[in-house]
Amino acid sequence: QKEVEQNSGPLSVPEGAIASLNCTYSDRGSQSFFWYRQYSGKSPELIMFIYSNGDKEDGRFTAQLNKASQYVSLLIRDSQPSDSATYLCAVKNSGGYNKLIFGAGTRLAVHP
Amino acid sequence: DGGITQSPKYLFRKEGQNVTLSCEQNLNHDAMYWYRQDPGQGLRLIYYSQIVNDFQKGDIAEGYSVSREKKESFPLTVTSAQKNPTAFYLCASNPGQGGQPQHFGDGTRLSIL
Repeated sequence: QKEVEQNSGPLSVPEGAIASLNCTYSDRGSQSFFWYRQYSGKSPELIMFIYSNGDKEDGRFTAQLNKASQYVSLLIRDSQPSDSATYLCAVKNSGGYNKLIFGAGTRLAVHP
Repeated sequence: DGGITQSPKYLFRKEGQNVTLSCEQNLNHDAMYWYRQDPGQGLRLIYYSQIVNDFQKGDIAEGYSVSREKKESFPLTVTSAQKNPTAFYLCASNPGQGGQPQHFGDGTRLSIL
C-alpha cells in the first residue's frame, strides 16, 4: 500500500514565525507533489506543487523536495493567524493514472 | 468564471435510499475524481474518470457508482449498500495529462437521517 505520512499536529507557532510542515511518502517512483490548505468545513485549496528536487518559492510559501529521502516539506514564512488550517500533502502515484495519495494532514495553529 | 460546482451542499439519506451527488465543471478538463473525507482523516479516492465514457474504481468504491456521459459531468450515486455514508464528499478535476494539480469543488456533506 502506497502511503503518505504527516504529523497530525497541532503545530502551534507564534505570529510572524516560520511554520515547517513535513511529509514522507513510500512510493519511490512518485514524481509530482502537492500541498493543499483546508480550512475547517471547507474544501482543499491548492497552494503549492513541486516536481523537481530542491526548493520552490511562491510568496511566503516554500516547498522543498528530496526524492532520495522521500521527503517533501512546506515552509510558511511570516505566519499569520489566517494561515491556521489543516495542510494536506498529496503525492501522485507512479502508475499510469493520475491518482493522488493524500496524507491525513497537519493542523497548523498560528497564535497572535 | 470557470470552476467546479457540486450540489447539493448538504444532503440527508434515509435507510435503504440511493442518493446522487452532482459534480459539474466548465474547465474543459478531461479527468474527474470523487473523494470521501471522514473527520480528522485525509481524502480517499472513490472513483475517477480519465475520459468520457470511461471510469475506474478507486480505493473505496464499494457501495458507490458513477457515470461519465459528458465531459462536464461526473455524478456520484451513494447506494443503500454503502452502510456508513456519512462523510464530506469532494469532486476534483484536472486536465489529465502528466502530474498536473487537481482542483476541488466546494463539497457535499452527506448525513444519515
